[in-house]
Amino acid sequence: AQSVAQPEDQVNVAEGNPLTVKCTYSVSGNPYLFWYVQYPNRGLQFLLKYITGDNLVKGSYGFEAEFNKSQTSFHLKKPSALVSDSALYFCAVRRSNDYKLSFGAGTTVTVRA
Amino acid sequence: DAGVIQSPRHEVTEMGQEVTLRCKPISGHDYLFWYRQTMMRGLELLIYFNNNVPIDDSGMPEDRFSAKMPNASFSTLKIQPSEPRDSAVYFCASSFPDPLNQAQYFGPGTRLTVL
Repeated sequence: AQSVAQPEDQVNVAEGNPLTVKCTYSVSGNPYLFWYVQYPNRGLQFLLKYITGDNLVKGSYGFEAEFNKSQTSFHLKKPSALVSDSALYFCAVRRSNDYKLSFGAGTTVTVRA
Repeated sequence: DAGVIQSPRHEVTEMGQEVTLRCKPISGHDYLFWYRQTMMRGLELLIYFNNNVPIDDSGMPEDRFSAKMPNASFSTLKIQPSEPRDSAVYFCASSFPDPLNQAQYFGPGTRLTVL
């Protein structure tokens, strides 16, 4: 079985401050990890993925994520948050030999001006 | 590319009626996924196809749900008969088969309300 935990339902930060959204996963074998963002009344947008290689992955809109195998984590980060980053963020995992994605419950990010 | 296209965007129906949701994947994507999103259960994978063939339908909740992919550019998710607990946002997603480029690209969703 595979699963994702996003321990924080909500994250609030001031504009210009660093943003971190936490994610831990459980999967057998090597994980394929993803972050998606969802704006109100919209579909999910792909932000970044970790498949193999460098543990620090850079994605869209200035976001990055760090894969930590020993801690089974894949936290999403942005050095300087924008008000427009306010949205719902999902972490997802799948096994390398299976196309079935499992999503976390999501974290609502609010960036205040 | 226009991205994944879903129709209708909103559907309101009465309990017992048949509902058909439609999806056009991104051209060249060999995988197609149907998800359901609710407040209580989050995002759930219902079924996915590879080259028009259903691969895993273990997430389909009941026999009332069925999905087809008659060709590479079209898929349907049907609920018959519909029930109020089917109210949710249904997403379609597609992806390349390349294992190193495995992001799924989502459509805008269909918001279904069953009265």
